[in-house]
Amino acid sequence: GNSVTQMEGPVTLSEEAFLTINCTYTATGYPSLFWYVQYPGEGLQLLLKATKADDKGSNKGFEATYRKETTSFHLEKGSVQVSDSAVYFCALEEGTYKYIFGTGTRLKVLA
Amino acid sequence: DAGVTQSPTHLIKTRGQHVTLRCSPISGHKSVSWYQQVLGQGPQFIFQYYEKEERGRGNFPDRFSARQFPNYSSELNVNALLLGDSALYLCASSTGAQGAEQYFGPGTRLTVT
Repeated sequence: GNSVTQMEGPVTLSEEAFLTINCTYTATGYPSLFWYVQYPGEGLQLLLKATKADDKGSNKGFEATYRKETTSFHLEKGSVQVSDSAVYFCALEEGTYKYIFGTGTRLKVLA
Repeated sequence: DAGVTQSPTHLIKTRGQHVTLRCSPISGHKSVSWYQQVLGQGPQFIFQYYEKEERGRGNFPDRFSARQFPNYSSELNVNALLLGDSALYLCASSTGAQGAEQYFGPGTRLTVT
């Protein structure tokens, strides 16, 4: 079946460091891919998405490119801030009705 | 604009009891999905409803049921609660079109003792 694999956390970085959170997927066809962020005590917020191969999603300085050849959708940000500390989830859309999420990667940014 | 709303925010129940969780989607959205998020894990799909019909069901026991009302709000019901049902229950709404993003509510934190 379809699945999403994320790198293990937690990831601890200093402010202004470069961030990469790896995400790979297994799926039939070419599903839409998403990154969601979850701040402590809150629900999920959509960070960015890509709906087809080679699409680049971007938002708030975060970027991810849909790589069909490597079945990856890695999240990157050039300079992280303390306020970026959260849990990040990679997800794919299966069919038209459900998302499959990875286990999440906790990011902690130190001032 | 109001986002997805869920009630209650927190709930404590005893094993064997029944619980009903409620969700109101974003105005204009006809699809509601339910997810269970156990602490430290990603959300797991439970149900999706579209236009009041069940469109999909995840790998959850029959103790879990849901429905969608004519105004597109939804209820998730869980019978015979087990300790393992303790989790954050998330509701998400979308237009229902393929590729359309889902917008999540803040969740209901259920604790079963």
